Amino acid sequence: RKEVEQDPGPFNVPEGATVAFNCTYSNSASQSFFWYRQDCRKEPKLLMSVYSSGNEDGRFTAQLNRASQYISLLIRDSKLSDSATYLCVVTLYSSASKIIFGSGTRLSIRP
Amino acid sequence: SQTIHQWPATLVQPVGSPLSLECTVEGTSNPNLYWYRQAAGRGLQLLFYSVGIGQISSEVPQNLSASRPQDRQFILSSKKLLLSDSGFYLCAWNLEGALREQYFGPGTRLTVT
Repeated sequence: RKEVEQDPGPFNVPEGATVAFNCTYSNSASQSFFWYRQDCRKEPKLLMSVYSSGNEDGRFTAQLNRASQYISLLIRDSKLSDSATYLCVVTLYSSASKIIFGSGTRLSIRP
Repeated sequence: SQTIHQWPATLVQPVGSPLSLECTVEGTSNPNLYWYRQAAGRGLQLLFYSVGIGQISSEVPQNLSASRPQDRQFILSSKKLLLSDSGFYLCAWNLEGALREQYFGPGTRLTVT
């Protein structure tokens, strides 16, 4: 089983729609969680951290479910500029500076 | 503010040739440094990470090596490139004890021919 798993997509949704991704992780010792976005042929950029209580940043909402070992990302009122690959990231404090990336979920927003 | 630089941006090298990619970070001290490779259409593969000068941990055994000669400098090398070394090489940094989010450089796109 992969340490971090994501649905690769692609998710193809109309502009203005709400879309949600999930990401599951296998190690219960995981401590920190993040969502990154990666545009085609560019470096990943931090989208948001994921806190235990859930957090929101504008149209983006991230949730953590430790019992079921998954995190989620919700995008409301999607824009064409949201088209990208979204990477789920999990950090293990038990291993020095070890950060594990999911393979990413590709999102395409159509006009 | 912190910035991270990588060069070159693109590189085309023949099989069997050597490789040297450089990464430098500005605006912070004692960062953790990382090298990743991303093959076309794939996820990020962690190659090396470093928690300090001269301290290198290898995640995947292969014909690549890394060095950290200075606090904010990280170098990825190979003596002889293979076709399978083609990919997008990304350097990243974060701080120990922080939230551990990573920040990436712009990457080097390597094609081995």
